[in-house]
Amino acid sequence: LAKTTQPISMDSYEGQEVNITCSHNNIATNDYITWYQQFPSQGPRFIIQGYKTKVTNEVASLFIPADRKSSTLSLPRVSLSDTAVYYCLVGGPGGYQKVTFGIGTKLQVIP
Amino acid sequence: NAGVTQTPKFQVLKTGQSMTLQCAQDMNHNSMYWYRQDPGMGLRLIYYSASEGTTDKGEVPNGYNVSRLNKREFSLRLESAAPSQTSVYFCASTRTGDEQYFGPGTRLTVT
Repeated sequence: LAKTTQPISMDSYEGQEVNITCSHNNIATNDYITWYQQFPSQGPRFIIQGYKTKVTNEVASLFIPADRKSSTLSLPRVSLSDTAVYYCLVGGPGGYQKVTFGIGTKLQVIP
Repeated sequence: NAGVTQTPKFQVLKTGQSMTLQCAQDMNHNSMYWYRQDPGMGLRLIYYSASEGTTDKGEVPNGYNVSRLNKREFSLRLESAAPSQTSVYFCASTRTGDEQYFGPGTRLTVT
């Protein structure tokens, strides 16, 4: 299983771009990188998933370098409602079942 | 679509009592999961079911049993509850390899 490492917490002012980096040195060839968001008292919610290079959707961007040993979740112009815990997961079809969430990164957006 | 539903939302048990947490999904997903989340911690996988008729242990299976009743339903049973099982329990489902959809959680307190 690929182990992930991400910062425990981050602070950001409203309107700024936030980048959260996750390290996954032993990522396997068929593993995907997935990010989830969790608000207090709720289950995690899928944000974005990628395999290599860059993926963008209406919520975030995911940057994955060529060696795939790390990835960066980018949240453009954060607002107070983006205050949450963000989890980086590594796994793939067939290996997804045993992926673990870790502690995640607690993002605090400041007015 | 209701997505993933869990019952009950809250439960208080005395040590040694038993109970079953229910989970159902209406998205025709193959795989289903049970996680627990302790305060300030990430989610830890208890059991998962890759497909109807199969179940497998996750990271923290001791003290729990599961049943994949049919494709829609996946239950988690505590045979003899212990204070260490006080936690928030999340059920999730996915098509294999895709994003997981989470239920609202069950807050369990064992006294």
